[in-house]
Amino acid sequence: DGGITQSPKYLFRKEGQNVTLSCEQNLNHDAMYWYRQDPGQGLRLIYYSQIVNDFQKGDIAEGYSVSREKKESFPLTVTSAQKNPTAFYLCASSIRGREKLFFGSGTQLSVL
Amino acid sequence: GESVGLHLPTLSVQEGDNSIINCAYSNSASDYFIWYKQESGKGPQFIIDIRSNMDKRQGQRVTVLLNKTVKHLSLQIAATQPGDSAVYFCAEYDAGKSTFGDGTTLTVKP
Repeated sequence: DGGITQSPKYLFRKEGQNVTLSCEQNLNHDAMYWYRQDPGQGLRLIYYSQIVNDFQKGDIAEGYSVSREKKESFPLTVTSAQKNPTAFYLCASSIRGREKLFFGSGTQLSVL
Repeated sequence: GESVGLHLPTLSVQEGDNSIINCAYSNSASDYFIWYKQESGKGPQFIIDIRSNMDKRQGQRVTVLLNKTVKHLSLQIAATQPGDSAVYFCAEYDAGKSTFGDGTTLTVKP
């Protein structure tokens, strides 16, 4: 089945540690996105990529980094510079230039 | 900056009634709007969309209305069912990215 796979489902980070969230899609979509969701709030855009080897900062990029070396993969690293990383992280993809987003099932990140 | 907002954070309806979920947006450059449904612990799923050159679009049991004059969007769900209980987000699309509102939690009472 085609879709977006996020892993792990739950992740715990220690103080000062970098962690990487995985996002893989087999929909052959060019564009991929990372959103952060806090309880009772909407989704805020962290980073997005319209094509391989290119990505842009979203509204809340500070403390995060991404790479887009392959079309299928768009990993997100939460760095130690992100002081409040506890949130639900959602990866999405779309056909480039098309507005409809397809989401993964999310990763819940918590701080130990 | 520009933002998309929802009028009510929660909405409770009786099974079988119609539901109306509202959304206000402020980016006049947005030309496409989508409603998503998010069930607990899952990612949002597409429900219905509408372009800025339309004022109404209907799907199966759902209707989206767009009023560009007052920058208002609404989602109407007919004959609401328990499976409709979820958080509903409106999103506006502009310049290659989507901006989401805060969401409305719909609870359907049996």
